[in-house]
Amino acid sequence: DAKTTQPPSMDCAEGRAANLPCNHSTISGNEYVYWYRQIHSQGPQYIIHGLKNNETNEMASLIITEDRKSSTLILPHATLRDTAVYYCIVKGSGGGSNYKLTFGKGTLLTVNP
Amino acid sequence: DAGVIQSPRHEVTEMGQEVTLRCKPISGHDYLFWYRQTMMRGLELLIYFNNNVPIDDSGMPEDRFSAKMPNASFSTLKIQPSEPRDSAVYFCASSFGRVVLTFGAGSRLTVL
Repeated sequence: DAKTTQPPSMDCAEGRAANLPCNHSTISGNEYVYWYRQIHSQGPQYIIHGLKNNETNEMASLIITEDRKSSTLILPHATLRDTAVYYCIVKGSGGGSNYKLTFGKGTLLTVNP
Repeated sequence: DAGVIQSPRHEVTEMGQEVTLRCKPISGHDYLFWYRQTMMRGLELLIYFNNNVPIDDSGMPEDRFSAKMPNASFSTLKIQPSEPRDSAVYFCASSFGRVVLTFGAGSRLTVL
């Protein structure tokens, strides 16, 4: 699976958009980009995933560059409850023995009032 | 659906004791994962099952750890004997097909 690089921490003002970057320059053609987050003392929570097209759901938007070497998770109107560690994970869609999701250190997003 | 249910939420035990953590996955999910989280090592995958069969246990730290899934609605992670370095939060997660995992609230284990 391709390695990802994320900034260790970011700050955002409440009500503003939070843009979390992720670099995955070694991504291969069949690998998806997944985003999870972990609020303090809770289990990780799935946010969104995509292959090459931009994706949007009720939680966030995912923008993947044309060369797929980086992506940005956008929380359009951050709230205090969005303070969490955000994990960017690159993973192929295959199953079997390679069905693993590996979490790195992620980005601690702190939303300030 | 109640989500992935883990028990106990908190466990404090003494070194050498047996610890059993339990997980009820979401009904209909065919994959079940056990993760461990510590400050030093982050989230580590210990083992995962597909249709109740263990597929990859390469993350299990040592023979003191064992996991079973006797049926589609129940899994256990056992540590025998426990050691202080096993202190961590243990998460169970389940998924159907795609790699979109739903995690439980975790079991916080403290071994004195």
